[in-house]
Amino acid sequence: DTAVSQTPKYLVTQMGNDKSIKCEQNLGHDTMYWYKQDSKKFLKIMFSYNNKELIINETVPNRFSPKSPDKAHLNLHINSLELGDSAVYFCASSPSQGAAEAFFGQGTRLTVV
Amino acid sequence: DAKTTQPPSMDCAEGRAANLPCNHSTISGNEYVYWYRQIHSQGPQYIIHGLKNNETNEMASLIITEDRKSSTLILPHATLRDTAVYYCIVRASGSARQLTFGSGTQLTVLP
Repeated sequence: DTAVSQTPKYLVTQMGNDKSIKCEQNLGHDTMYWYKQDSKKFLKIMFSYNNKELIINETVPNRFSPKSPDKAHLNLHINSLELGDSAVYFCASSPSQGAAEAFFGQGTRLTVV
Repeated sequence: DAKTTQPPSMDCAEGRAANLPCNHSTISGNEYVYWYRQIHSQGPQYIIHGLKNNETNEMASLIITEDRKSSTLILPHATLRDTAVYYCIVRASGSARQLTFGSGTQLTVLP
């Protein structure tokens, strides 16, 4: 069973559209994250949730809205998509906020055309 | 969190040990050294972490200098599947702060 799963794996959409990426973890972890990896391969934290509560929001445009319906899920909704949103988005989870090991999903490659 | 410096790329022959260096000269006393790797088209994967003692697990060994200003990740018998970008990260244990990934080292294991 996949520990952290994201859907879809690939997403191609037009500018201005609204899209969502789903993430689920079956590890029983309390903390979940969204990271963005741009074309230069830099991985940057976007959001961190602990027990469904937002902990970190790293100056991400408010077009990005994470939603955590329960501890096992952290979905990412993006409004009014822009070309610069094209990237690979990774979901991750860890047992707690300060845990050493984070488990990452396989990523969602978003292409905005 | 302290900043880390890694060489952008390294090569290693298959079956040989791969030694990946990391400088973290401004590391604080409560900051751990973490290593992750990212194989092409996959999510990052945790490898190992340590504070000041050397650590070993089934994947790798971590050697931290006595002054803690640098460390080396050792893959004892590199295989082609170890080709990946390796990230050295410094963060205080128990910190709510997220992992901050730098540019890492692209390790290429050659047949």
